[in-house]
Amino acid sequence: SQELEQSPQSLIVQEGKNLTINCTSSKTLYGLYWYKQKYGEGLIFLMMLQKGGEEKSHEKITAKLDEKKQQSSLHITASQPSHAGIYLCGADPRPPSGGGADGLTFGKGTHLIIQP
Amino acid sequence: DAGVIQSPRHEVTEMGQEVTLRCKPISGHNSLFWYRQTMMRGLELLIYFNNNVPIDDSGMPEDRFSAKMPNASFSTLKIQPSEPRDSAVYFCASSSILAIGQFFGPGTRLTVL
Repeated sequence: SQELEQSPQSLIVQEGKNLTINCTSSKTLYGLYWYKQKYGEGLIFLMMLQKGGEEKSHEKITAKLDEKKQQSSLHITASQPSHAGIYLCGADPRPPSGGGADGLTFGKGTHLIIQP
Repeated sequence: DAGVIQSPRHEVTEMGQEVTLRCKPISGHNSLFWYRQTMMRGLELLIYFNNNVPIDDSGMPEDRFSAKMPNASFSTLKIQPSEPRDSAVYFCASSSILAIGQFFGPGTRLTVL
């Protein structure tokens, strides 16, 4: 079965600083999703990457999928208190079949704290 | 759009009792997912449905767990009998072939004493 490892597990960053979170898969990635979760709440979809080399941005958050499609990185520029939370990466276990969605495998998450 | 609706938001029960969690997916979405989140194991897929049909229930931990989707706008996850190790946050999510990503509900925090 596919496993996703996120690093670091937790991160404390001073407000205004840049940071990067990594997600490494044990198998080929067919679709990589980034979510943010505030403590005690549900997951908020940030972006999805599918093609090797693909890069997407959402406000000050940029995510990349590497050429070999087994690793993704999430980069936050000029961090703000609103960026605090848990960032989770999720992956499609199979190529799209056209028959409907598949359940995702998730990493354990990266806890991000922003210090004022 | 109301988003994915889950009820109850919090449930405290005693070991051995039956627990039923409910989910209303986003209107028009044809896939529905049940996940469980714990500190130890993170977010795990339990079961998912496409067009109301269960596709993969390999994540359901034991026969004590069962899920149904009688129609496109409602699903239940039942635990009978409940055990303390079932304590977790249970999330429901839905998706559509016309949209990217799965949309999560606020979760049900279950505590089994």
